[in-house]
Amino acid sequence: AQKVTQAQTEISVVEKEDVTLDCVYETRDTTYYLFWYKQPPSGELVFLIRRNSFDEQNEISGRYSWNFQKSTSSFNFTITASQVVDSAVYFCALSAPQRETSGSRLTFGEGTQLTVNP
Amino acid sequence: DAGVIQSPRHEVTEMGQEVTLRCKPISGHDYLFWYRQTMMRGLELLIYFNNNVPIDDSGMPEDRFSAKMPNASFSTLKIQPSEPRDSAVYFCASSSDRSNQPQHFGDGTRLSIL
Repeated sequence: AQKVTQAQTEISVVEKEDVTLDCVYETRDTTYYLFWYKQPPSGELVFLIRRNSFDEQNEISGRYSWNFQKSTSSFNFTITASQVVDSAVYFCALSAPQRETSGSRLTFGEGTQLTVNP
Repeated sequence: DAGVIQSPRHEVTEMGQEVTLRCKPISGHDYLFWYRQTMMRGLELLIYFNNNVPIDDSGMPEDRFSAKMPNASFSTLKIQPSEPRDSAVYFCASSSDRSNQPQHFGDGTRLSIL
């Protein structure tokens, strides 16, 4: 069974602070894919990043960076110099292709509500 | 490029009525997914299609729910009869691969059953 845990239910920071959102996953599959999605107050789900299990390189995109560590089954997301517009719920998700019917099931974590205060 | 398009954005109806939610996936995507989001249960996969064929409907809560995909550019999720506990945000998503590529989500339909 697959599981994604986002232990931080809510995080509140002041603008310009750095913030890290934690994601820990469980899977028995050797090939799998990890994703982060953002859900702003308007409600839509916005894809941010995909990482496959064979690529442990960290990635940086502007103020966003992701740290993938297979040894700890973690895929953490850091926002540098946070801004009010970063306020949203962030979801980590896991997908594995092997099983015929459940392989496309995107398992979501419960989400972390990030509030960036001015 | 147009994203996933869902309609209506909001639906308010009385218990017992039939509700139909609509989705147009991104052109060229051959996987389509229906999700439901509630405070209690988070994001749940209800059903997904590949090339218009339902592959896994194990997440469909009960027989009152049905989904169809008559062609590559259109899908519906129907609830009949609707109940207050069906109130949720329903998302449609599409992707070009079963698990490798990201799923792109529509804006969702906020459904309220009175």
